[in-house]
Amino acid sequence: ETGVTQSPTHLIKTRGQQVTLRCSSQSGHNTVSWYQQALGQGPQFIFQYYREEENGRGNFPPRFSGLQFPNYSSELNVNALELDDSALYLCASSRDRGLAGELFFGEGSRLTVL
Amino acid sequence: KQEVTQIPAALSVPEGENLVLNCSFTDSAIYNLQWFRQDPGKGLTSLLLIQSSQREQTSGRLNASLDKSSGRSTLYIAASQPGDSATYLCAVSSILMDTGRRALTFGSGTRLQVQP
Repeated sequence: ETGVTQSPTHLIKTRGQQVTLRCSSQSGHNTVSWYQQALGQGPQFIFQYYREEENGRGNFPPRFSGLQFPNYSSELNVNALELDDSALYLCASSRDRGLAGELFFGEGSRLTVL
Repeated sequence: KQEVTQIPAALSVPEGENLVLNCSFTDSAIYNLQWFRQDPGKGLTSLLLIQSSQREQTSGRLNASLDKSSGRSTLYIAASQPGDSATYLCAVSSILMDTGRRALTFGSGTRLQVQP
């Protein structure tokens, strides 16, 4: 157990809908990053938040957005869902803002878009 | 553009064998490299973290090496056990040229099966 919790664990949406995924970081960690993992692939970095500000982003369109709260928990929001958004969404927390420290992952939220 | 490749994609070995998993990356300007384990349908567990200034890290039966200049890392697993069966992923932390910001780039993983 890493202490990183994600919710919901599974959800089904239809194309065009919006979804919000949540992540509670491990105690003492101020940095949260989000990843999309398609079946059989490695995770793809979406973005990272440090002290409530985005400070790193991968090649994802603006309809992928996020928030980090004062308690360092985080949300990932995806608007205008597409079929290809179906994936396991993972969040990870760390003490280091520069992606130089060890990452602790949650179990993920599996999103299916119909 | 940073690209991470892991070879082989899948590996099946009998229990007790020593084995090596390979990871290569195209941009050697990395901050660190991490090896993770992922069980089916689960999140990732960090195994070893090697900073760019380091050559190797060890934890129990695991040893990871890093050759930044050649863009390679290996994960050595000694005396493999059925409980080691999982997917092993490597990831590098570097600056993405097209965004100018730090990001973590993963390989697609090596799926390991250790036969009892």
